[in-house]
Amino acid sequence: EDKVVQSPLSLVVHEGDTVTLNCSYEVTNFRSLLWYKQEKKAPTFLFMLTSSGIEKKSGRLSSILDKKELFSILNITATQTGDSAVYLCAGSSNTGKLIFGQGTTLQVKP
Amino acid sequence: DAMVIQNPRYQVTQFGKPVTLSCSQTLNHNVMYWYQQKSSQAPKLLFHYYDKDFNNEADTPDNFQSRRPNTSFCFLDIRSPGLGDAAMYLCATSRDMVATYEQYFGPGTRLTVT
Repeated sequence: EDKVVQSPLSLVVHEGDTVTLNCSYEVTNFRSLLWYKQEKKAPTFLFMLTSSGIEKKSGRLSSILDKKELFSILNITATQTGDSAVYLCAGSSNTGKLIFGQGTTLQVKP
Repeated sequence: DAMVIQNPRYQVTQFGKPVTLSCSQTLNHNVMYWYQQKSSQAPKLLFHYYDKDFNNEADTPDNFQSRRPNTSFCFLDIRSPGLGDAAMYLCATSRDMVATYEQYFGPGTRLTVT
């Protein structure tokens, strides 16, 4: 059965800290790994990763995929209170269906 | 600039009383998805439409139905809501069903069953 597991499930840091969120996956006919940020509303798209070892960056956020070890990490540097959210990782098969992990709840304290 | 719109944002229904949630999109995407997300859990795919073709997930209860009368609109019907159906219902769209296209989510409808 396909599954995506995220760790940690929750994390509390202070502004300015750097955090690393983990995502491991087992997805049949895997094609891509997606990261979403979910505040008290719908998930918003962050990154899609299809190739190993190529880092994607957007401001203070970056992510990388390891297709050999079947995991991805999402890094957030110099965290701000606005980064507080649930971060969802999802594996996509060749059909485009997403299998979501349970999410990591990040709280950034002032 | 809303791209995926869900109405209502909050819905309260009574146990066993049919309810319909709606989703519309301005992206002209081929695929529309419905997810159920319970508290502190991952979104779970219920079904999707590729154009007019309906695809049900194997473990989606029969109590859940969907309609897509045109490209822009998709409805989720819950025929006899139970207390266990209280959740956030997310609609998403994508251009196609290949993995190179990300899914865009609507704001969700939070369903309460009393």
